[in-house]
Amino acid sequence: KAGVTQTPRYLIKTRGQQVTLSCSPISGHRSVSWYQQTPGQGLQFLFEYFSETQRNKGNFPGRFSGRQFSNSRSEMNVSTLELGDSALYLCASSPGANSNQPQHFGDGTRLSIL
Amino acid sequence: SQELEQSPQSLIVQEGKNLTINCTSSKTLYGLYWYKQKYGEGLIFLMMLQKGGEEKSHEKITAKLDEKKQQSSLHITASQPSHAGIYLCGADIKTSYDKVIFGPGTSLSVIP
Repeated sequence: KAGVTQTPRYLIKTRGQQVTLSCSPISGHRSVSWYQQTPGQGLQFLFEYFSETQRNKGNFPGRFSGRQFSNSRSEMNVSTLELGDSALYLCASSPGANSNQPQHFGDGTRLSIL
Repeated sequence: SQELEQSPQSLIVQEGKNLTINCTSSKTLYGLYWYKQKYGEGLIFLMMLQKGGEEKSHEKITAKLDEKKQQSSLHITASQPSHAGIYLCGADIKTSYDKVIFGPGTSLSVIP
């Protein structure tokens, strides 16, 4: 079974631009969560999608948004990029919406803002 | 997250030695997960603990959950260089926003 796939693996952008990251969950998984990881803040929850609906949202500004498609693939968009958005963005999938099921992570997209 | 603390922050051990990493929550735990991460890569799921007193083992790694103390420990027996990496605990503590929050991680180096 293929794991969680995130594209692209690396991305370099400049301040003010926008970016879209993609995540393909494990086949059959319907819940997709996004996390931001930085050395200073650690791993922080952005949002979770289940059946094309946003179920949970972390404490991030509205510049961070996402969506999920009918095939469970998800995209995350960040607009008006800031230097502080440089981070490793991780996507995780799980079979359902229950929190008693472990999430499986992709290798992430490393976003660098110049 | 300050709601989930890990100790120690980093650890350097000689190959073959045993070690323990702790994860403590300031709130009630409804599920505790242990992950391992190599630098710049994703998290690899190790174990999930859900009930107080629960203990699980996989190869040389054992994790326990003390629900009363709101704490979990990860113990590695006879460490090997392949155990090196960052160990993160994640927990479902039913906050307003988060589904699962993560501790800051414990960096483990194993010297051959």
